[in-house]
Amino acid sequence: AQSVTQLGSHVSVSEGALVLLRCNYSSSVPPYLFWYVQYPNQGLQLLLKYTTGATLVKGINGFEAEFKKSETSFHLTKPSAHMSDAAEYFCAVIPKDSNYQLIWGAGTKLIIKP
Amino acid sequence: SQTIHQWPATLVQPVGSPLSLECTVEGTSNPNLYWYRQAAGRGLQLLFYSIGIGQISSEVPQNLSASRPQDRQFILSSKKLLLSDSGFYLCAWSRGTGRESGAFFGQGTRLTVV
Repeated sequence: AQSVTQLGSHVSVSEGALVLLRCNYSSSVPPYLFWYVQYPNQGLQLLLKYTTGATLVKGINGFEAEFKKSETSFHLTKPSAHMSDAAEYFCAVIPKDSNYQLIWGAGTKLIIKP
Repeated sequence: SQTIHQWPATLVQPVGSPLSLECTVEGTSNPNLYWYRQAAGRGLQLLFYSIGIGQISSEVPQNLSASRPQDRQFILSSKKLLLSDSGFYLCAWSRGTGRESGAFFGQGTRLTVV
């Protein structure tokens, strides 16, 4: 069965530093790929998605992610972290060979140090 | 534009009491609808999803049930709450399986069973 792995339940970076949150999927057929952000006690908000086309995808709040088929990865990055980026981030996929819904990673809590 | 409403935002209920959480979607028709739960420090667990009125699929055996009495209304219920039902409940919708646009979430309900 398809699975999504997010490396690191917590990632801590200094304000102004590069943010890198890792996501790997397990299928040989690349799925549809998504990153969501969740602020405390709120719902999830879509940051960006990859369905087809250019493998570098830009999203809201200065985030971007690159789909790398050879590495089965869809890592999320932001060049310079801001205090307001502190939140939990979820990677999710929808397999192309099924009619099933989103399969979620366990989430990574991003901590920003002043 | 589409919006999703979920209420209440917080709820404290005694063990053994009933539960009803409601979710409605506006601005779209025939959405797929979902109920998720987040337990403290854990990821997203899909509880139920629905592809149409009266069509409910349950992902995990539990003390909860769901109903879809109208196209854009999704209700999560329990006849007798357990302590283990505490958590953050999220309603979501998608166009079809969400392949092209992902899922859109409500603001969540924080349920504490005491």
